[in-house]
Order: sequence, then C-alpha cells, then structure tokens
Amino acid sequence: KAGVTQTPRYLIKTRGQQVTLSCSPISGHRSVSWYQQTPGQGLQFLFEYFSETQRNKGNFPGRFSGRQFSNSRSEMNVSTLELGDSALYLCASSLTIPGTGELFFGEGSRLTVL
Amino acid sequence: TQLLEQSPQFLSIQEGENLTVYCNSSSVFSSLQWYRQEPGEGPVLLVTVVTGGEVKKLKRLTFQFGDARKDSSLHITAAQPGDTGLYLCAGCSNDYKLSFGAGTTVTVRA
Repeated sequence: KAGVTQTPRYLIKTRGQQVTLSCSPISGHRSVSWYQQTPGQGLQFLFEYFSETQRNKGNFPGRFSGRQFSNSRSEMNVSTLELGDSALYLCASSLTIPGTGELFFGEGSRLTVL
Repeated sequence: TQLLEQSPQFLSIQEGENLTVYCNSSSVFSSLQWYRQEPGEGPVLLVTVVTGGEVKKLKRLTFQFGDARKDSSLHITAAQPGDTGLYLCAGCSNDYKLSFGAGTTVTVRA
C-alpha cells in the first residue's frame, strides 16, 4: 500500500515568489491535512480538506491557500513568500476525521526562502 | 502560544534509563494522540487515548491520559537507542481540529 507522497521534497525560493506543494494521499483516504513544522514551534495546523471541502483552517495569513481535487489529491499554495515561511510542510491523510483515527504523514516538502 | 505544552523540550539519557515526557493544556480534548518523528520522515502514530484516566501500554511505552482530559504523559522504560526521536502529542478538540505540541526531542545514548 503506497504511503502519502509529497512533491517536491526540497525547494528553494526567493522572497516575493510563490510556491505550490502537492500531496497524494493513501488510496481511499478522503481527508487531507497540511501542517507547517519549524524548530521549536512543532506542527502548526494549516488546513484540512475532506471530499474537496475545506473543513478546518488554522491561523495563517491569506497568502496560504489550498485545495483538494476529486481524486483526493491536494495542493497548497503560498504566495508572496517571506523568509519566515521557510519550514517543512507536512501533509497527512486519514480514513476518518482527524483525531478519531490515525494520521498518515508524508515525508514533507522542505521549503527554503532566501 | 502553543495550545499544548510539552516538557521537557530536550531529553538526553543513557540506554537502560527511564524517561517521562509530559503534554499539558488548559483545554479539554476529546482524544489525544502521541506521534514519533525520526529525521527526514513524517510523524508516525504511537497511540490514541480517548477516556480520562486511560492508560495504554505499547511494549516499553506507557501512555496516560489525565482524568480531566487536559494532559497526558508518555513513560519509556529501559530506553533503547531506537527510541531516539521527536515525540509529539496532539489533542483533538470537539470540532475535530488536531493541535500539536512543539515536541520533545529524545536522545538515547548507547
């Protein structure tokens, strides 16, 4: 059974640019969540999608957006990048509502903003 | 401000020693999960606790959910180098939003 796949694994951008990250969940999983991980801050919740609908959103500025497609694949976009956006972005999929079952995480996309 | 506070932030112990990691909050959670993350990988679920006062054991790991469902602890007995990693607790609120703590980095020296 293939795990959660995130692309790209690593990327470097400069301030002001925008970036799109992709996440393919485990087959059959309809819930996809995104988290930002930085040292000392742990995982900060970005958003969660279920069947193409955003069900929950974290406290991030509007520069952070996401969507989910009919095949459950998800993308997140960050526009007008800032140095502070440098982080590991983790995607997780689950069979059930997050918190009631296991979240399966991908290996993450490490974004460096110069 | 973290909804969930984990302590200590770092822990370095010798193989064979015991350790306890704490996860505290002023909020009540419907469930609480513990994950372990190794370098270059995503977190992996260790356990989910849902009932106040619940204790779950996973080999040498013992997890406890506080009676008021606001805190939890993870105790490792006779730690081994394979236990090294970042331990994260995550609380699920009534609106099914999962909030993670900042994590405890555990290093077990051989």
